[in-house]
Amino acid sequence: SQTIHQWPATLVQPVGSPLSLECTVEGTSNPNLYWYRQAAGRGLQLLFYSVGIGQISSEVPQNLSASRPQDRQFILSSKKLLLSDSGFYLCAWRGRGTQYFGPGTRLTVL
Amino acid sequence: DAKTTQPPSMDCAEGRAANLPCNHSTISGNEYVYWYRQIHSQGPQYIIHGLKNNETNEMASLIITEDRKSSTLILPHATLRDTAVYYCIVRVQETSGSRLTFGEGTQLTVNP
Repeated sequence: SQTIHQWPATLVQPVGSPLSLECTVEGTSNPNLYWYRQAAGRGLQLLFYSVGIGQISSEVPQNLSASRPQDRQFILSSKKLLLSDSGFYLCAWRGRGTQYFGPGTRLTVL
Repeated sequence: DAKTTQPPSMDCAEGRAANLPCNHSTISGNEYVYWYRQIHSQGPQYIIHGLKNNETNEMASLIITEDRKSSTLILPHATLRDTAVYYCIVRVQETSGSRLTFGEGTQLTVNP
């Protein structure tokens, strides 16, 4: 069966520091992968998606970037965090007609 | 994606069936009904989806009305662990780059 992992689970970072969040998927090959941010409350914002290694589509211009160095690895990065980057970051993969989410990373920028 | 309307909150007794309604009167013929839930501080969890026939899996049943303008998610024997926000989403079938958009959802509280 397929599983999706994210780490770390929680992160507290100062403004201006770099960021690297990692997502990996097991049990499937060449998955479509997604990064979402969920603001306080419930809204989901699609940040990036990838259909394959090295292929990244950005949905919203922002302070973040994404990379896909391996088939089942998706990384979300920032060179300098802003206060507004705080949120709950979710990785998802596409399969069997819908998207399946990872456990998420709670990022707090102070 | 078609708009959906859900009650903001519902309560259910443990062991009883939880019936969560969703209205989607503007649904198009090629749009599916999806249900997800999100337990506090966890990632959203896919539950079930359907087009026009009723669907059942190990988690829940989905009942879609004949005119497809509304649906009901049924948790047959709710447990405390089913306490979560439940989202009803109407959208065309998944394609590359398509995004999921959650509305306000229904906060289901299962009481002992």
